[in-house]
Amino acid sequence: AQSVTQPDIHITVSEGASLELRCNYSYGATPYLFWYVQSPGQGLQLLLKYFSGDTLVQGIKGFEAEFKRSQSSFNLRKPSVHWSDAAEYFCAVGDTDTGRRALTFGSGTRLQVQP
Amino acid sequence: ETGVTQTPRHLVMGMTNKKSLKCEQHLGHNAMYWYKQSAKKPLELMFVYSLEERVENNSVPSRFSPECPNSSHLFLHLHTLQPEDSALYLCASSQVGVRDTEAFFGQGTRLTVV
Repeated sequence: AQSVTQPDIHITVSEGASLELRCNYSYGATPYLFWYVQSPGQGLQLLLKYFSGDTLVQGIKGFEAEFKRSQSSFNLRKPSVHWSDAAEYFCAVGDTDTGRRALTFGSGTRLQVQP
Repeated sequence: ETGVTQTPRHLVMGMTNKKSLKCEQHLGHNAMYWYKQSAKKPLELMFVYSLEERVENNSVPSRFSPECPNSSHLFLHLHTLQPEDSALYLCASSQVGVRDTEAFFGQGTRLTVV
């Protein structure tokens, strides 16, 4: 069965500092990979996705992520964090089996941004 | 309206009540999902409907009953719930098949069982 691990439950960074959120997955084939962000009381917004092709993917709000097959990782990065980036971030792996495409999520990383 | 819309946004119900959550997607997708987000557990898949056919129920208790009358609408019927069922229930849709898309999520229904 597929699984996703986000080892950092809570991260605090200063505004303007760089950010890296870690994600490791377990899946038998080449997965679909996603990062979603959730503000309090809200649904999930897609930041970026990897289906195939270039392993460095660009997303919204200045985020990027790199798929590393050898490390089974899909870490999220941002060079300079803004106070509005404070939220919870979820990494997910998508089932590539036709007809299902359900997501398995990590437990999330809560990001706090200090002024 | 665009995207995925869930109603109501908040719901408080007693353990003996019957209520329904509604989800509507305006994206032309062919798959819809219910996920549960509890305070202490990762987001969990509850149900998947692909091309209006339920393809998985993921061992969800029978007090949760999904209904997908067409590709744009999804319901979650609730009856005799327990306090531990209090959570944020998220609906999502996606396109599966030749041109896959990511899942688009609604804002969720915050359910409190008293």
